[in-house]
Amino acid sequence: DIVMTQTPLSSSVTLGQPASISCRSSQSLVHSDGTTYLSWLHQRPGQPPRLLIYRISDRNSGVPDRISGSGAGTDFTLQISRVEAEDVGVYYCTQATQFPYTFGQGTKLEIK
Amino acid sequence: EVELVESGGGLVQPGRSLRLSCTASGFTFGDKAMTWVRQAPGKGLEWVGFIRSKAYGGTTEYAASVKGRFTISRDDSKSIAYLQMNSLKTEDTAVYYCSRSWGMDYWGQGTLVTVSS
Repeated sequence: DIVMTQTPLSSSVTLGQPASISCRSSQSLVHSDGTTYLSWLHQRPGQPPRLLIYRISDRNSGVPDRISGSGAGTDFTLQISRVEAEDVGVYYCTQATQFPYTFGQGTKLEIK
Repeated sequence: EVELVESGGGLVQPGRSLRLSCTASGFTFGDKAMTWVRQAPGKGLEWVGFIRSKAYGGTTEYAASVKGRFTISRDDSKSIAYLQMNSLKTEDTAVYYCSRSWGMDYWGQGTLVTVSS
């Protein structure tokens, strides 16, 4: 199975400041079709997860452009250019390149 | 508007069975694969399994932790995906979510399954 490792596991950020979360996979996420199926999800307390980013850097509908994804191969990053109060919660990276699909442990983002 | 609604959760004794339903609306259900994900209390997300659309054979994939005990199926005429859970264990206690497609672009609110004697 592909292991997804996120760092940090928690982060406290001042409103308006940037935040960054890293995700590393135990093997390349490049599918045989050439696509890298790496996504980022956000889960607010008491809510289901919400898809933010798919295929490394494509934003889901309604996701603001201050949230972006980057990376390649086995190393990926989620960046928030200016943290807002609505960004609190837990962020997960996930891969859909190979079954079983797997998730990172989650990164908890708090406001300082 | 896409909506997914899970139902069927509850308290069940170890070794018993339970069937969850995921009722979809707002899109052509038969065109999409469906994914089940669970979240134990206070824990992270765990992928449970996946069913392809009929166009891709309607076949299924499962996590090792549930393979042989859980079965995913679909009824495209009713726009419902099912998760049949047999031989339940206490470690299956979790909120179960269904989500649309491999990409999990839409999620339901989840249904809580508690396995306890």
